[in-house]
Amino acid sequence: EAGVAQSPRYKIIEKRQSVAFWCNPISGHATLYWYQQILGQGPKLLIQFQNNGVVDDSQLPKDRFSAERLKGVDSTLKIQPAKLEDSAVYLCASSSVDRMGGYTFGSGTRLTVV
Amino acid sequence: AQTVTQSQPEMSVQEAETVTLSCTYDTSESNYYLFWYKQPPSRQMILVIRQEAYKQQNATENRFSVNFQKAAKSFSLKISDSQLGDTAMYFCAFAGFGNEKLTFGTGTRLTIIP
Repeated sequence: EAGVAQSPRYKIIEKRQSVAFWCNPISGHATLYWYQQILGQGPKLLIQFQNNGVVDDSQLPKDRFSAERLKGVDSTLKIQPAKLEDSAVYLCASSSVDRMGGYTFGSGTRLTVV
Repeated sequence: AQTVTQSQPEMSVQEAETVTLSCTYDTSESNYYLFWYKQPPSRQMILVIRQEAYKQQNATENRFSVNFQKAAKSFSLKISDSQLGDTAMYFCAFAGFGNEKLTFGTGTRLTIIP
């Protein structure tokens, strides 16, 4: 089966600019996650979707980050305006409802804010 | 809230030797999943092994096995006959039955020396 697709692979922007990341999960996976991984740390959940509804966005900085999952498939994560501390790898993952197949991760987007 | 602790930031071992990575966690839940993920420089999180907390038998996957001590809240990963391709960051992660999100530790950087 095809994996979790993410784009772009790399992005460099100046602070205060905006940026968007795209994720296409495993076909049939109802749950989609966005994680932020700062260098030297483990991934931290930003937002979790079940189909096209938000389950958990308690760690999402809502003043600058937004995410949507239209039609319960693809998802977009946006940052506007970006700050230096947003430099990180943004990982997308998906899982089936029963999680018997575990969680499948994409290759991530490395964002550098200068 | 759940926490996952990996106390070994870096480890190295000679090729073909056995290495054990440590992980402890804290939770008030009785049923949950535990995972070990490998993250090579390509950044993609690759599932190494998973354990369901209700199963007393330790999970094994070829050269990878775990020592799951539920009472001690310990979940270590043993890699036997280590190979150069095992060089990567290794993350321990927790997911509750009711809350699907993965909570990660800070990772252990493992280097296999030829």
